[in-house]
Amino acid sequence: DTEVTQTPKHLVMGMTNKKSLKCEQHMGHRAMYWYKQKAKKPPELMFVYSYEKLSINESVPSRFSPECPNSSLLNLHLHALQPEDSALYLCASSQVTLFFGPGTRLTVL
Amino acid sequence: GENVEQHPSTLSVQEGDSAVIKCTYSDSASNYFPWYKQELGKGPQLIIDIRSNVGEKKDQRIAVTLNKTAKHFSLHITETQPEDSAVYFCAASRELTGGGNKLTFGTGTQLKVEL
Repeated sequence: DTEVTQTPKHLVMGMTNKKSLKCEQHMGHRAMYWYKQKAKKPPELMFVYSYEKLSINESVPSRFSPECPNSSLLNLHLHALQPEDSALYLCASSQVTLFFGPGTRLTVL
Repeated sequence: GENVEQHPSTLSVQEGDSAVIKCTYSDSASNYFPWYKQELGKGPQLIIDIRSNVGEKKDQRIAVTLNKTAKHFSLHITETQPEDSAVYFCAASRELTGGGNKLTFGTGTQLKVEL
């Protein structure tokens, strides 16, 4: 099973809302990642978790809050987002090779 | 930090022709080079990868070459088909001291295979 799953597929939220993105993998990978991708651009790294601990935060605003409840799950909590945060949010996991999920298309109104 | 340049940004070929995409990286610590294909509305899908101790790798119609000295690597697709149409990203990867790998992506190539 080389699949990373993400929910929801689409999310529309207002600037005062709180929502969460969820990611799951069952490949036994110990590293998990959040990326943000704007249209016609490559993915940009946001966070890296290794062995359930945050190892990289690429200077992401605090309105994005990651959480790794266990080795298979990764969440991204969203609060007080701005319209410019609208993007495709990708989760990935790896031993060495990164495998990406299908993404959550987020629209902030 | 790492910088990956990718060319061309768009590539249009006739079905059955070959397509070549080239990338250059800057960080000598990068030791793993995956290529991803991304279709509209989907996440990037790994299509082939190469490690720094290997010069060439082939998988059916897809091949990748690496020139470590020049810090160049290239993707070659032969006998292109319409379903090859997508955005292709090269990437350079290095291991993180805390675990995991940091990928730096190229800017992407929009490949269009015309009938």
